[in-house]
Amino acid sequence: DAGVTQSPTHLIKTRGQQVTLRCSPISGHKSVSWYQQVLGQGPQFIFQYYEKEERGRGNFPDRFSARQFPNYSSELNVNALLLGDSALYLCASSLSTSWRNTEAFFGQGTRLTVV
Amino acid sequence: AQSVTQLGSHVSVSEGALVLLRCNYSSSVPPYLFWYVQYPNQGLQLLLKYTSAATLVKGINGFEAEFKKSETSFHLTKPSAHMSDAAEYFCAVSDRGATNKLIFGTGTLLAVQP
Repeated sequence: DAGVTQSPTHLIKTRGQQVTLRCSPISGHKSVSWYQQVLGQGPQFIFQYYEKEERGRGNFPDRFSARQFPNYSSELNVNALLLGDSALYLCASSLSTSWRNTEAFFGQGTRLTVV
Repeated sequence: AQSVTQLGSHVSVSEGALVLLRCNYSSSVPPYLFWYVQYPNQGLQLLLKYTSAATLVKGINGFEAEFKKSETSFHLTKPSAHMSDAAEYFCAVSDRGATNKLIFGTGTLLAVQP
């Protein structure tokens, strides 16, 4: 089975531009979460979607938005990019929202560089 | 608010030596606790998780961690380090709410010397 796939793997954007990152969860997984990992830090929670509904949102500005599609894939959009948005963006999928019977599987991430 | 603190941003051990990576948590409710490993330019891989069953949790690659409520700790150990263990390790906590949001520590970079 394929793992969590993210695209693109790398991209470079200019300040003020908009970017869309994509994530395909493991087959059968209905929950997708997004994390931002700035160099030298741990990942920070951005969003969680379950069954196409937003279940949680981290402390990020409204420039960040996301959605989940009927096939459970997800997109993360960031508008008006700032230099500080440069980071590794990680997508994680899980079967459910209960840690008792699931775990989060992470993709390899999208490395975003804002210049 | 929940948080985790990882003591030591860099740890260096010799091959064959004990690995001990420290993690302390803060949570007002019984937490779920996790250890993840990240190899360069890759995503995170779950090593083990604590979900309030046994306090000693065994994970993959010979790692284990012990949940100690009295010390609010969840330290990661491995009896004998291998060169392939060199990576960054993250401790994370999650609550029992409607989401399974993970709150990560700042990470510990483990170096293994031959």
